[in-house]
Amino acid sequence: ETGVTQTPRHLVMGMTNKKSLKCEQHLGHNAMYWYKQSAKKPLELMFVYNFKEQTENNSVPSRFSPECPNSSHLFLHLHTLQPEDSALYLCASSPIVTGGHAGLPVYEQYFGPGTRLTVT
Amino acid sequence: GNSVTQMEGPVTLSEEAFLTINCTYTATGYPSLFWYVQYPGEGLQLLLKATKADDKGSNKGFEATYRKETTSFHLEKGSVQVSDSAVYFCAPPKAAGNKLTFGGGTRVLVKP
Repeated sequence: ETGVTQTPRHLVMGMTNKKSLKCEQHLGHNAMYWYKQSAKKPLELMFVYNFKEQTENNSVPSRFSPECPNSSHLFLHLHTLQPEDSALYLCASSPIVTGGHAGLPVYEQYFGPGTRLTVT
Repeated sequence: GNSVTQMEGPVTLSEEAFLTINCTYTATGYPSLFWYVQYPGEGLQLLLKATKADDKGSNKGFEATYRKETTSFHLEKGSVQVSDSAVYFCAPPKAAGNKLTFGGGTRVLVKP
């Protein structure tokens, strides 16, 4: 399998449930990301991992807990979510490629298909 | 950090019409610029990119030219098809580092 895969594709959970989203990339990248995409809102970056280390937490509530056991896998553990957390959750990965203008790195991100989460 | 301004849409066109989606950005230096596309029910896909000023990115009939003098990266296609119906995102980097700036995207609907 190639590219970035996400499971499950659809998830319905109650506010007291605990579930996990999984992302796997087969591209040899060393950076991975979680995004939240809600209707009529810009894409929101949630977490960034570089070389398995979390480098960004964009003020995400603690009911979302990421885990990156290796450069190929990224999880998002969910517990006691709220209905407003219903959204499409997208995973992405990127290489770190140099060669842009003035030596600036070029970070192309490759996205998975997303998990459509509904919190009831 | 950097920012992006992109027309909101929706943009409704007839098949074979000319499409332009404007994108302007603020940035430090001259970063690489990207256009992403999201088809219904899918994640984002990289559509095209330009890595330096005056570069033209192109793919699937779409083109965008990196204009440093106007800090713009407008997306164009000469003859759209129904299959081009999607949401398009202009994405300059946030700043140095591996984060991109995504606006709300522009929804394009092409009617037969």
